[in-house]
Amino acid sequence: GEDVEQSLFLSVREGDSSVINCTYTDSSSTYLYWYKQEPGAGLQLLTYIFSNMDMKQDQRLTVLLNKKDKHLSLRIADTQTGDSAIYFCAESYSNTGGFKTIFGAGTRLFVKA
Amino acid sequence: AAGVIQSPRHLIKEKRETATLKCYPIPRHDTVYWYQQGPGQDPQFLISFYEKMQSDKGSIPDRFSAQQFSDYHSELNMSSLELGDSALYFCASSWDRGKTGELFFGEGSRLTVL
Repeated sequence: GEDVEQSLFLSVREGDSSVINCTYTDSSSTYLYWYKQEPGAGLQLLTYIFSNMDMKQDQRLTVLLNKKDKHLSLRIADTQTGDSAIYFCAESYSNTGGFKTIFGAGTRLFVKA
Repeated sequence: AAGVIQSPRHLIKEKRETATLKCYPIPRHDTVYWYQQGPGQDPQFLISFYEKMQSDKGSIPDRFSAQQFSDYHSELNMSSLELGDSALYFCASSWDRGKTGELFFGEGSRLTVL
């Protein structure tokens, strides 16, 4: 079945770049997302990329998609302590009920001052 | 900008009780999704509605039911609550079953079953 995998932890120093990686299995995925979740809070949509794109940049965030390898990454430039959170990769694919979105287990990003 | 509104934000119930969670989607969004996130887990899809009809079903227990009303808000009804139902329940909304790619989540309703 469909699956999204991410590494569970990442630790970086403030000011460095963070790269969070994700692999997915469904080749028919249409949209791939990155969500941020702070402790006790909801899921904040950071960015998403359509499957026919290779890259999307939005301020400090850069999303790279390698469709051949089914690999998605999120790069956060100049990482700040406020970026500490769990980052969920998600894929969305079309099925009979519309678009279904499934999530990876989340990568917990620790930013050291 | 208006976001997805969920209520209540926190709910404490005892085993075997019932609970109802409400979700108000972003204006003009016609699709609502419910997800359950257990402690330390990723969100698991429960059920979705498009134009007031159930459009997809995930891992929703038979003890749970949901519906979408004429104003597009949705309610998740949970009966015979079990300790394992303690989780953060997210509602998300989109336009036209997510075809635009934008899926927005509410802040979640935290259910604690004692």
